[in-house]
Amino acid sequence: QKEVEQDPGPLSVPEGAIVSLNCTYSNSAFQYFMWYRQYSRKGPELLMYTYSSGNKEDGRFTAQVDKSSKYISLFIRDSQPSDSATYLCGAGEAGKSTFGDGTTLTVKP
Amino acid sequence: DVKVTQSSRYLVKRTGEKVFLECVQDMDHENMFWYRQDPGLGLRLIYFSYDVKMKEKGDIPEGYSVSREKKERFSLILESASTNQTSMYLCASSSEGWDQPQHFGDGTRLSIL
Repeated sequence: QKEVEQDPGPLSVPEGAIVSLNCTYSNSAFQYFMWYRQYSRKGPELLMYTYSSGNKEDGRFTAQVDKSSKYISLFIRDSQPSDSATYLCGAGEAGKSTFGDGTTLTVKP
Repeated sequence: DVKVTQSSRYLVKRTGEKVFLECVQDMDHENMFWYRQDPGLGLRLIYFSYDVKMKEKGDIPEGYSVSREKKERFSLILESASTNQTSMYLCASSSEGWDQPQHFGDGTRLSIL
């Protein structure tokens, strides 16, 4: 079993929708959590990085971590066609990060 | 902004060749990483380095080696390339400390024929 499991998708939504991307993890030693966005033929780009349970907001993006249930979520408000990409969740401890397989999101105009 | 540059975007090599993938970062980061990314398998850590001339094995080091002679440069070496090493290779760097975010390059898509 993988330490970080991600909803596989793909996910297709209309422009303006609220998007919810979800991951679970099994290693209770994980101390920091992250979301990356990866466009086709590009490297992962850091979106959100957090060390604690709760919500962290950055513009239209909100990362949510629940350590008690080992759940990581990313919410995108007012989704745009430019948000179409693969989203990777990750978690880490002691310098080593583990990533989910990614969820591919398409936002249709 | 952090810049991680991988020397080649696409590379085609033959079975048995020795292959070098180069990565340079411009943010004076202590930590550097090499991953491979495959459909259905996600990102898997090959090797990482937390200082010049230091290296640590990741989850899948077999068939690979690394070199870090200068702080800004981290090289991945395929000693004798095989077809199962066809993949997207991603380099990343992070600043000192065990809990700092990693910043990725745009990857090298390597095909071994």
